[in-house]
Amino acid sequence: GENVEQHPSTLSVQEGDSAVIKCTYSDSASNYFPWYKQELGKRPQLIIDIRSNVGEKKDQRIAVTLNKTAKHFSLHITETQPEDSAVYFCAASISNTGNQFYFGTGTSLTVIP
Amino acid sequence: NAGVTQTPKFRVLKTGQSMTLLCAQDMNHEYMYWYRQDPGMGLRLIHYSVGEGTTAKGEVPDGYNVSRLKKQNFLLGLESAAPSQTSVYFCASSSAGAGKLFFGSGTQLSVL
Repeated sequence: GENVEQHPSTLSVQEGDSAVIKCTYSDSASNYFPWYKQELGKRPQLIIDIRSNVGEKKDQRIAVTLNKTAKHFSLHITETQPEDSAVYFCAASISNTGNQFYFGTGTSLTVIP
Repeated sequence: NAGVTQTPKFRVLKTGQSMTLLCAQDMNHEYMYWYRQDPGMGLRLIHYSVGEGTTAKGEVPDGYNVSRLKKQNFLLGLESAAPSQTSVYFCASSSAGAGKLFFGSGTQLSVL
């Protein structure tokens, strides 16, 4: 099955700086790559996603890039704010296999005021 | 519109006891999933369903059973709980195709 690796496991940045989280996947058939944010004690919530026919997608301070050849995708958060502090998970999915999502192990982001 | 609702929110079991977790969604989603979340291991898929009456194994299915008798409900059963099943369990649903996952609020299960 699919194997998703995520780095780093923890990340601390100063408020206003940028944060980058990277993921790699193993199955070239994966074609949908969402990112979820999970605040302490809460449920994961989708913050941005990208499909394999797109190389980059941006939503305000958040962007995701995808390199299909290298099988990696990254989350970029600019102008970080304390409320960005959370655990972030990447995931990969193959749409024709029952929509299974394989998650990375998570990155705990701390934004220092 | 409640979205995805999980019950119970917390449960403590003794080794060998059984229990069932209930997940209900009101979004008419075809797909439903059960994940477990352990520190440093992300979200791992236990079982999933692509429609009423169907179920399939995920990454870590051993020790769990599921049923989807109605489209809106997905039940996760533990027949003989073990300490290794201490975890936070999340139910999720999505519409057909590679779409957004909607998660429930989670169940904290402790097996002593």
